[in-house]
Amino acid sequence: AQSVAQPEDQVNVAEGNPLTVKCTYSVSGNPYLFWYVQYPNRGLQFLLKYITGDNLVKGSYGFEAEFNKSQTSFHLKKPSALVSDSALYFCAVISYNQGGKLIFGQGTELSVKP
Amino acid sequence: SAVISQKPSRDICQRGTSLTIQCQVDSQVTMMFWYRQQPGQSLTLIATANQGSEATYESGFVIDKFPISRPNLTFSTLTVSNMSPEDSSIYLCSVSGTGSSYEQYFGPGTRLTVT
Repeated sequence: AQSVAQPEDQVNVAEGNPLTVKCTYSVSGNPYLFWYVQYPNRGLQFLLKYITGDNLVKGSYGFEAEFNKSQTSFHLKKPSALVSDSALYFCAVISYNQGGKLIFGQGTELSVKP
Repeated sequence: SAVISQKPSRDICQRGTSLTIQCQVDSQVTMMFWYRQQPGQSLTLIATANQGSEATYESGFVIDKFPISRPNLTFSTLTVSNMSPEDSSIYLCSVSGTGSSYEQYFGPGTRLTVT
């Protein structure tokens, strides 16, 4: 079955430090991978995607993610965290053997402290 | 990216009643999706709504409980029928990106509380 795992329910980072939010996936075929962010009382905002090409993809708000096929991972990173980055982050993958549906991970709460 | 609005943004409803949630997009889109996000949980796809055809429901969701309309390429509604407290969730609509961009764009969500 196609799936996405975010092994950490919560990540705590000091402002100015680098942050990593982890994601691993299990799909058959080439994975199409996404990161979304959800701020309190708001919908999901698209951050970035990997479809093909360069393994390092850059997205909104200074975030980037690295696709690693051998480790089946797509970790979200930012060199210097901001307090305003505190939010809920979701990794997702398109499942082509389930009609192209978007499968979400369970989410990781990122808390950036001043 | 598309701009998506939802109405209402939140509501408190009594058990046994129904609520219809509206989703409006600022451009024509082929596919619209409805998701449920239960408290502290991830997103679960309820159904896919294509204009001019019946919605396709995911396992565990049925049309009698979650009827969907898709009258044109910019609008859809989801009704939560005969509500119970277990229906308390955030309901989100989304649309696919244009062309072959694959990502989905989400509305702000409707926060439903059933008492």
